Amino acid sequence: DAGITQSPRYKITETGRQVTLMCHQTWSHSYMFWYRQDLGHGLRLIYYSAAADITDKGEVPDGYVVSRSKTENFPLTLESATRSQTSVYFCASAGASSGNTIYFGEGSWLTVV
Amino acid sequence: SQKIEQNSEALNIQEGKTATLTCNYTNYSPAYLQWYRQDPGRGPVFLLLIRENEKEKRKERLKVTFDTTLKQSLFHITASQPADSATYLCALSTGNQFYFGTGTSLTVIP
Repeated sequence: DAGITQSPRYKITETGRQVTLMCHQTWSHSYMFWYRQDLGHGLRLIYYSAAADITDKGEVPDGYVVSRSKTENFPLTLESATRSQTSVYFCASAGASSGNTIYFGEGSWLTVV
Repeated sequence: SQKIEQNSEALNIQEGKTATLTCNYTNYSPAYLQWYRQDPGRGPVFLLLIRENEKEKRKERLKVTFDTTLKQSLFHITASQPADSATYLCALSTGNQFYFGTGTSLTVIP
Protein backbone atom coordinates (compact mmCIF):
# COMPACT_ATOMS: atom_id res chain seq x y z
CA ASP A 1 0.00 0.00 0.00
CA ALA A 2 1.23 3.51 -0.76
CA GLY A 3 0.47 4.89 2.69
CA ILE A 4 2.59 7.98 2.83
CA THR A 5 4.55 9.27 -0.13
CA GLN A 6 7.06 12.06 -0.46
CA SER A 7 8.27 13.92 -3.51
CA PRO A 8 10.76 14.63 -4.76
CA ARG A 9 12.92 11.89 -3.31
CA TYR A 10 16.11 13.71 -4.30
CA LYS A 11 16.64 17.39 -4.95
CA ILE A 12 19.62 19.64 -5.49
CA THR A 13 18.95 23.35 -5.29
CA GLU A 14 20.89 26.56 -5.00
CA THR A 15 21.16 28.84 -2.03
CA GLY A 16 18.34 31.35 -1.94
CA ARG A 17 15.89 29.36 -4.03
CA GLN A 18 12.47 28.33 -2.81
CA VAL A 19 11.91 24.60 -2.52
CA THR A 20 8.75 22.69 -1.70
CA LEU A 21 8.72 19.12 -0.49
CA MET A 22 5.44 17.34 -0.93
CA CYS A 23 3.84 14.79 1.37
CA HIS A 24 0.68 12.79 0.75
CA GLN A 25 -0.95 10.16 2.96
CA THR A 26 -3.83 7.86 2.16
CA TRP A 27 -4.83 6.83 5.68
CA SER A 28 -6.81 9.97 6.59
CA HIS A 29 -4.58 10.37 9.63
CA SER A 30 -5.34 13.58 11.46
CA TYR A 31 -1.75 14.27 12.46
CA MET A 32 1.10 14.94 10.09
CA PHE A 33 4.69 15.82 10.82
CA TRP A 34 7.86 16.99 9.15
CA TYR A 35 11.20 15.93 10.57
CA ARG A 36 14.74 16.49 9.43
CA GLN A 37 17.43 13.95 10.15
CA ASP A 38 21.07 14.94 10.42
CA LEU A 39 24.08 13.01 11.62
CA GLY A 40 24.52 13.54 15.33
CA HIS A 41 21.12 15.12 15.80
CA GLY A 42 18.72 12.36 15.00
CA LEU A 43 15.19 13.24 13.99
CA ARG A 44 14.15 16.77 14.80
CA LEU A 45 10.60 17.99 14.46
CA ILE A 46 10.17 20.97 12.15
CA TYR A 47 6.41 21.41 12.06
CA TYR A 48 3.36 19.36 12.77
CA SER A 49 -0.33 19.56 12.05
CA ALA A 50 -3.19 18.24 14.11
CA ALA A 51 -5.77 18.62 11.35
CA ALA A 52 -6.46 20.54 8.19
CA ASP A 53 -5.75 24.25 8.66
CA ILE A 54 -4.06 23.62 12.04
CA THR A 55 -0.27 23.73 12.14
CA ASP A 56 2.27 24.29 14.87
CA LYS A 57 6.00 24.73 15.24
CA GLY A 58 8.30 21.98 16.36
CA GLU A 59 11.90 22.19 17.56
CA VAL A 60 13.51 23.69 14.44
CA PRO A 61 10.92 25.68 12.45
CA ASP A 62 13.05 28.63 11.33
CA GLY A 63 13.33 28.95 7.57
CA TYR A 64 10.42 26.61 6.88
CA VAL A 65 6.75 27.15 6.08
CA VAL A 66 3.98 24.56 6.04
CA SER A 67 0.36 24.48 5.06
CA ARG A 68 -2.41 21.95 5.30
CA SER A 69 -5.45 22.81 3.26
CA LYS A 70 -6.41 19.14 2.87
CA THR A 71 -6.10 16.33 5.41
CA GLU A 72 -4.02 14.18 3.08
CA ASN A 73 -1.39 16.74 2.06
CA PHE A 74 1.24 18.52 4.10
CA PRO A 75 3.80 20.36 1.98
CA LEU A 76 6.97 21.81 3.47
CA THR A 77 8.46 24.92 1.87
CA LEU A 78 11.94 26.29 2.32
CA GLU A 79 11.39 29.91 1.45
CA SER A 80 15.05 30.76 0.78
CA ALA A 81 17.18 27.66 1.00
CA THR A 82 20.45 27.75 2.92
CA ARG A 83 23.27 25.22 3.04
CA SER A 84 22.40 24.41 6.63
CA GLN A 85 19.11 23.05 5.34
CA THR A 86 20.89 20.29 3.47
CA SER A 87 19.39 17.23 5.11
CA VAL A 88 17.06 14.29 4.79
CA TYR A 89 13.47 15.27 5.37
CA PHE A 90 10.88 12.80 6.57
CA CYS A 91 7.16 13.29 6.50
CA ALA A 92 5.10 11.24 8.91
CA SER A 93 1.51 10.77 9.98
CA ALA A 94 -0.42 9.42 12.93
CA GLY A 95 -4.02 9.11 13.87
CA ALA A 96 -6.62 7.14 15.73
CA SER A 97 -6.26 4.24 13.32
CA SER A 98 -2.48 4.08 13.85
CA GLY A 99 -2.75 3.34 17.55
CA ASN A 100 -0.50 6.16 18.75
CA THR A 101 2.29 5.15 16.42
CA ILE A 102 3.79 7.27 13.72
CA TYR A 103 4.28 6.20 10.12
CA PHE A 104 7.05 7.65 8.03
CA GLY A 105 7.55 8.30 4.37
CA GLU A 106 10.70 7.21 2.58
CA GLY A 107 12.38 10.59 2.89
CA SER A 108 13.44 13.45 0.66
CA TRP A 109 17.14 14.03 0.27
CA LEU A 110 17.80 17.74 -0.18
CA THR A 111 21.15 19.24 -1.03
CA VAL A 112 21.57 23.01 -1.06
CA VAL A 113 24.66 24.19 -2.94
CA SER B 1 11.80 19.88 26.32
CA GLN B 2 12.30 16.15 26.48
CA LYS B 3 15.85 14.86 26.14
CA ILE B 4 16.40 11.30 24.96
CA GLU B 5 19.68 9.42 25.07
CA GLN B 6 20.38 6.09 23.49
CA ASN B 7 23.32 4.15 24.88
CA SER B 8 25.97 3.94 22.26
CA GLU B 9 26.04 5.07 18.69
CA ALA B 10 27.11 1.62 17.51
CA LEU B 11 26.76 -1.87 18.87
CA ASN B 12 28.36 -4.99 17.38
CA ILE B 13 27.31 -8.46 18.48
CA GLN B 14 27.73 -12.04 17.30
CA GLU B 15 24.89 -13.79 15.56
CA GLY B 16 22.73 -15.74 17.98
CA LYS B 17 23.44 -13.47 20.94
CA THR B 18 20.98 -11.09 22.55
CA ALA B 19 21.32 -7.43 21.67
CA THR B 20 20.32 -4.95 24.35
CA LEU B 21 19.77 -1.30 23.49
CA THR B 22 19.13 1.42 26.06
CA CYS B 23 16.99 4.51 25.95
CA ASN B 24 17.10 7.06 28.76
CA TYR B 25 14.99 10.17 29.00
CA THR B 26 14.78 13.24 31.18
CA ASN B 27 11.92 15.38 32.36
CA TYR B 28 8.41 14.07 32.39
CA SER B 29 7.43 10.49 31.76
CA PRO B 30 5.80 9.91 28.40
CA ALA B 31 2.48 8.22 27.94
CA TYR B 32 4.05 5.91 25.38
CA LEU B 33 7.51 4.76 24.51
CA GLN B 34 8.16 3.30 21.11
CA TRP B 35 10.95 1.64 19.22
CA TYR B 36 11.55 2.02 15.50
CA ARG B 37 13.91 0.39 13.07
CA GLN B 38 15.62 2.38 10.33
CA ASP B 39 17.52 0.88 7.44
CA PRO B 40 19.97 2.95 5.39
CA GLY B 41 18.17 5.24 2.97
CA ARG B 42 14.75 4.39 4.36
CA GLY B 43 12.28 5.94 6.77
CA PRO B 44 11.91 4.59 10.29
CA VAL B 45 9.51 1.69 10.73
CA PHE B 46 7.50 1.09 13.89
CA LEU B 47 8.36 -2.02 15.92
CA LEU B 48 6.89 -1.91 19.41
CA LEU B 49 4.97 0.41 21.70
CA ILE B 50 4.82 0.21 25.47
CA ARG B 51 2.58 2.28 27.70
CA GLU B 52 3.62 3.97 30.92
CA ASN B 53 1.65 1.49 33.01
CA GLU B 54 3.24 -1.52 31.32
CA LYS B 55 6.52 -3.07 32.45
CA GLU B 56 7.25 -5.30 29.50
CA LYS B 57 6.07 -6.00 25.98
CA ARG B 58 7.10 -8.79 23.64
CA LYS B 59 6.80 -9.44 19.95
CA GLU B 60 8.46 -12.51 18.51
CA ARG B 61 12.21 -12.08 19.22
CA LEU B 62 11.77 -8.52 20.46
CA LYS B 63 11.24 -7.44 24.05
CA VAL B 64 10.84 -3.96 25.45
CA THR B 65 10.89 -2.95 29.09
CA PHE B 66 9.85 0.40 30.53
CA ASP B 67 10.95 1.63 33.94
CA THR B 68 9.38 5.00 34.71
CA THR B 69 11.32 5.26 37.98
CA LEU B 70 14.67 4.95 36.23
CA LYS B 71 13.29 6.81 33.18
CA GLN B 72 14.67 4.07 31.01
CA SER B 73 13.61 1.59 28.38
CA LEU B 74 15.56 -1.47 27.30
CA PHE B 75 15.08 -3.05 23.90
CA HIS B 76 16.19 -6.65 23.46
CA ILE B 77 16.60 -8.69 20.31
CA THR B 78 17.11 -12.35 21.15
CA ALA B 79 18.76 -14.87 18.84
CA SER B 80 20.02 -12.00 16.74
CA GLN B 81 20.50 -12.42 13.01
CA PRO B 82 22.51 -10.43 10.45
CA ALA B 83 19.16 -9.22 9.06
CA ASP B 84 18.61 -7.41 12.36
CA SER B 85 21.45 -5.05 11.49
CA ALA B 86 19.97 -1.56 11.35
CA THR B 87 19.63 1.62 13.38
CA TYR B 88 17.10 1.45 16.18
CA LEU B 89 15.38 4.59 17.38
CA CYS B 90 13.65 5.18 20.66
CA ALA B 91 10.70 7.57 20.60
CA LEU B 92 8.64 9.11 23.35
CA SER B 93 5.17 10.42 22.86
CA THR B 94 2.89 12.39 25.07
CA GLY B 95 -0.35 13.28 23.48
CA ASN B 96 0.54 13.81 19.88
CA GLN B 97 4.10 15.00 20.23
CA PHE B 98 6.78 12.50 19.27
CA TYR B 99 10.42 12.93 20.31
CA PHE B 100 13.17 10.71 18.94
CA GLY B 101 16.58 9.69 20.18
CA THR B 102 19.59 9.76 17.86
CA GLY B 103 19.51 5.99 17.47
CA THR B 104 21.84 3.07 18.01
CA SER B 105 23.41 1.35 15.02
CA LEU B 106 23.35 -2.40 15.51
CA THR B 107 25.55 -4.75 13.51
CA VAL B 108 25.06 -8.48 13.90
CA ILE B 109 28.19 -10.32 12.84
CA PRO B 110 27.71 -13.74 11.22
